[in-house]
Amino acid sequence: AQKITQTQPGMFVQEKEAVTLDCTYDTSDQSYGLFWYKQPSSGEMIFLIYQGSYDEQNATEGRYSLNFQKARKSANLVISASQLGDSAMYFCASRQAGTALIFGKGTTLSVSS
Amino acid sequence: DTAVSQTPKYLVTQMGNDKSIKCEQNLGHDTMYWYKQDSKKFLKIMFSYNNKELIINETVPNRFSPKSPDKAHLNLHINSLELGDSAVYFCASSQRHERNQPQHFGDGTRLSIL
Repeated sequence: AQKITQTQPGMFVQEKEAVTLDCTYDTSDQSYGLFWYKQPSSGEMIFLIYQGSYDEQNATEGRYSLNFQKARKSANLVISASQLGDSAMYFCASRQAGTALIFGKGTTLSVSS
Repeated sequence: DTAVSQTPKYLVTQMGNDKSIKCEQNLGHDTMYWYKQDSKKFLKIMFSYNNKELIINETVPNRFSPKSPDKAHLNLHINSLELGDSAVYFCASSQRHERNQPQHFGDGTRLSIL
């Protein structure tokens, strides 16, 4: 079984600051993938970043990085230099072999100028 | 050059009707999915097909029937619509059915039952 917990319903950050969105996970397999998706108010789901359970380096994609702490079962998303366009809902998800994505409840990020 | 496209974008209909949502992907992916996002924004898998074969079938009322005529298309037919079916339905695809494959989503179909 898999479970994703996102404990922050809402986060607020000023433009140009960094922000960390928390995600903890629970999986029954040793092999799994962790994903972050962004959902703006327009509704589409945008893939941001992926981390494999055996990857030793933290994943990075532009301003996004994933702080992967396997022993703590956490996969926090770090957004550097926030922009107004980063205001959206962010979902953490996990996937084991043979399953689809299991999502957390999401965190709403609001970026102000 | 939309990667995963769903039609219609909005669907407003009466209880008891039957409706279909179509999904097409031009990414050459082998695996396609249907997810439901409820009013609290919670996303849950409904079905998955790999090369036209059903591989994931979550606990979904049998009023929902997916059909994959080929690996680029996955449609969702819903019979006897109920108020609780109101939600956003997302189609997604991934290159393979493996844990490390990111899924690419369509823009969603917002279904409203009157």
